[in-house]
Amino acid sequence: QSALTQPPSVSGSPGQSVTISCTGTSSDVGSYNRVSWYQQPPGTAPKLMIFEVSNRPSGVPDRFSGSKSGNTASLTISGLQAEDEADYYCSSYTSSSTVVFGGGTKLTVL
Amino acid sequence: EVQLVESGGGLVQPGGSLRLSCAASGFTFSSFPMSWVRQAPGKGLEWVSVVSGNGGTTYYADSVKGRFTISRDNSKNTLYLQMNSLRAADTAVYYCAKGVSSSWSKGFDYWGQGTLVSVSS
Repeated sequence: QSALTQPPSVSGSPGQSVTISCTGTSSDVGSYNRVSWYQQPPGTAPKLMIFEVSNRPSGVPDRFSGSKSGNTASLTISGLQAEDEADYYCSSYTSSSTVVFGGGTKLTVL
Repeated sequence: EVQLVESGGGLVQPGGSLRLSCAASGFTFSSFPMSWVRQAPGKGLEWVSVVSGNGGTTYYADSVKGRFTISRDNSKNTLYLQMNSLRAADTAVYYCAKGVSSSWSKGFDYWGQGTLVSVSS
């Protein structure tokens, strides 16, 4: 199972919006609404930000939103804040009853 | 408050074995699937394995199938990962993670702090 494809890095200024893409195949992202997004600041454990494509766990700001079209899922962060600077990973359930992660995207807040 | 505390990591020689544990508290452990996810130094996340709430169903990544065994003891609120035939490529921080709901495919909402496994001679 190949990793989902994410851009290595994205950046934005405070207050702006950024979108991180996550491209899979018809065997994972394209076939299941089981896409999750995780935030991982340096030296810490991952934190769930979005599950089932667009659902936010309690406590996650509504500045974070998720969507999906075909084999590509997206995470949008609006109103960027300095505290949003971290690595972001997408994941998807697959037709092999496994989970595959993306390679990760480093978000820099300028 | 949900807490997941991993232990059992350390330095092991190639071909050796190690058993990781994850002590859970703050939720009804037996009601949720649990997974192991690893992260090699400076690399991304890699899903390793999952076990259903009652322990009856397990799945593994191809990279560890046949070498690793996931299990749980619901009477002790503890998750395990038995790792055999370890390779240098297994060197990573191993996280245990709790499934969002009884359907483990929906994502992982709580993670432990991780335990480092180093495979080297």
